[in-house]
Amino acid sequence: AQSVTQPDIHITVSEGASLELRCNYSYGATPYLFWYVQSPGQGLQLLLKYFSGDTLVQGIKGFEAEFKRSQSSFNLRKPSVHWSDAAEYFCAVGASNNNDMRFGAGTRLTVKP
Amino acid sequence: ETGVTQSPTHLIKTRGQQVTLRCSSQSGHNTVSWYQQALGQGPQFIFQYYREEENGRGNFPPRFSGLQFPNYSSELNVNALELDDSALYLCASSSPGTPVGGYTFGSGTRLTVV
Repeated sequence: AQSVTQPDIHITVSEGASLELRCNYSYGATPYLFWYVQSPGQGLQLLLKYFSGDTLVQGIKGFEAEFKRSQSSFNLRKPSVHWSDAAEYFCAVGASNNNDMRFGAGTRLTVKP
Repeated sequence: ETGVTQSPTHLIKTRGQQVTLRCSSQSGHNTVSWYQQALGQGPQFIFQYYREEENGRGNFPPRFSGLQFPNYSSELNVNALELDDSALYLCASSSPGTPVGGYTFGSGTRLTVV
């Protein structure tokens, strides 16, 4: 079965600085990969997704992610972080042949003024 | 278009009781998935309903059960509540042909079992 590891539990960056959140997945075939964001007390909002094709995907709110098959990674990036980006970020992996989307444990982002 | 609506937003139950959580899917969506998110954890897949039938299940015991209605709304029922069932329960809906994960999530129901 597929699985996801987010190595960083908590990251703090200064407003305006660049951001990279790490995600490593385990799956035997080509995975479906996702990044979601969750603000306190809210549900999950889809930032971006990768199914196939161009390995650099653009999402909402200025986020992008790059699929690297050789490293089994799908890291999320943003060139300049805004205070409103403070939230919990979840990487998820799905498979085409089942409905069991697996989430990582999440990375909590704090943005310093 | 309306999003995914869950009710109630919060509730407290006693160990051993039963609970029903409700979810109204986004307009045009006929698939509903339920997730459990324990504090400090990522969401875990409970099950999915498609056209009123269970269409996949995660590693949850049978005391977790569900229903989907003709209008595509859904219920999650949990019997014999345990303290470890305390969590945020998320409902997500998707439209026909949406690859797995292309879901719209509700804001969740926070269940506390005491």
